[in-house]
Amino acid sequence: GQNIDQPTEMTATEGAIVQINCTYQTSGFNGLFWYQQHAGEAPTFLSYNVLDGLEEKGRFSSFLSRSKGYSYLLLKELQMKDSASYLCAVNPGGNNRLAFGKGNQVVVIP
Amino acid sequence: DVKVTQSSRYLVKRTGEKVFLECVQDMDHENMFWYRQDPGLGLRLIYFSYDVKMKEKGDIPEGYSVSREKKERFSLILESASTNQTSMYLCASRGTGEKLFFGSGTQLSVL
Repeated sequence: GQNIDQPTEMTATEGAIVQINCTYQTSGFNGLFWYQQHAGEAPTFLSYNVLDGLEEKGRFSSFLSRSKGYSYLLLKELQMKDSASYLCAVNPGGNNRLAFGKGNQVVVIP
Repeated sequence: DVKVTQSSRYLVKRTGEKVFLECVQDMDHENMFWYRQDPGLGLRLIYFSYDVKMKEKGDIPEGYSVSREKKERFSLILESASTNQTSMYLCASRGTGEKLFFGSGTQLSVL
């Protein structure tokens, strides 16, 4: 089976930096995705990592270490609109289905 | 950009009714998926399809069936709705090696 672990909730202050971790144990690895989901809405794509290292995209960065089965999403200069659930998903390869973590709820406070 | 359209945003049905949830994508993707999402349980895969008329069970297929007669359309069917099927249902599509694109979701309430 596939196992994706994320912390369930964290609170951070506006303007701060927050790191959301994801560890995975999967039958294979063919890429890791991060999605953002606001309450009552569909998930939207944030980033994709397939090689080790850091991918930066504006205020959001994502890091991958394949040898450790670990990724993190870094949110800088937090804004109130960043309050959302952040989902980590791994493509184990094979049949094109992704394995999702349960999501990390980030609450941004003034 | 890819568009994945779900036919209803909110739906209220009665126990025992047959329910159809429709999903259409416009990017010629081979793969389509149906998930349900419940608080504390995350996204759970019900069924997916990798080609027309092909389907595979996900993690929680019991009580559901699917239909894919055309490449762009993937339907989820609740044969006899039950209260424990009250949930947010999300459709998604994906080309080979691409990211997953989600529809806006259907919040289904079964009374």
